[in-house]
Amino acid sequence: AQKVTQAQTEISVVEKEDVTLDCVYETRDTTYYLFWYKQPPSGELVFLIRRNSFDEQNEISGRYSWNFQKSTSSFNFTITASQVVDSAVYFCALSEPSLTGANSKLTFGKGITLSVRP
Amino acid sequence: DAGVIQSPRHEVTEMGQEVTLRCKPISGHDYLFWYRQTMMRGLELLIYFNNNVPIDDSGMPEDRFSAKMPNASFSTLKIQPSEPRDSAVYFCASTRQKVITDTQYFGPGTRLTVL
Repeated sequence: AQKVTQAQTEISVVEKEDVTLDCVYETRDTTYYLFWYKQPPSGELVFLIRRNSFDEQNEISGRYSWNFQKSTSSFNFTITASQVVDSAVYFCALSEPSLTGANSKLTFGKGITLSVRP
Repeated sequence: DAGVIQSPRHEVTEMGQEVTLRCKPISGHDYLFWYRQTMMRGLELLIYFNNNVPIDDSGMPEDRFSAKMPNASFSTLKIQPSEPRDSAVYFCASTRQKVITDTQYFGPGTRLTVL
């Protein structure tokens, strides 16, 4: 069975600090995808990134960066110079192959509540 | 392009009443998912459709829950009769998957409160 663990439940930082959100996953599949979603206080789920299991290159997008390491089954997310607008719940998710063969079902972690104080 | 549309955004009902949640996926997307989010259980997949056909409903909690997708642009999730423990935020998501996994895009959610 697939599993996503986000051991940190709540993180509080002061604006401009860097913060890393951890994600550890378990799967028996050799082909899978990992995702991060952001859920701001307004409640919607916003897609941030998708990585496939064959691409271990780190990714940077502005102040956001992701570190994917298959050796430790981790897909960590770092926010550099955090801002108040980064305050949200962040979910890591793992896809699994469906009956149709395509990766369809997402297993979500419990989420990490990030609070960025001014 | 319009994103996933859900209605209503908020629903308050009394125990025993029927509740119908609605979803319009992104045009061109052939997969549609229903999720439920609660504090206790987090985000959990209830059911998903491919080309309007239910593929996996193993997450549907019990027979009180049913979902339909009569056409490519509309789906409903019905709870009958509703119970207080059904109170949650229900999300609909859609994606287009031809060969590889594509990203699921979520609607704004429906916050259901059953009194």
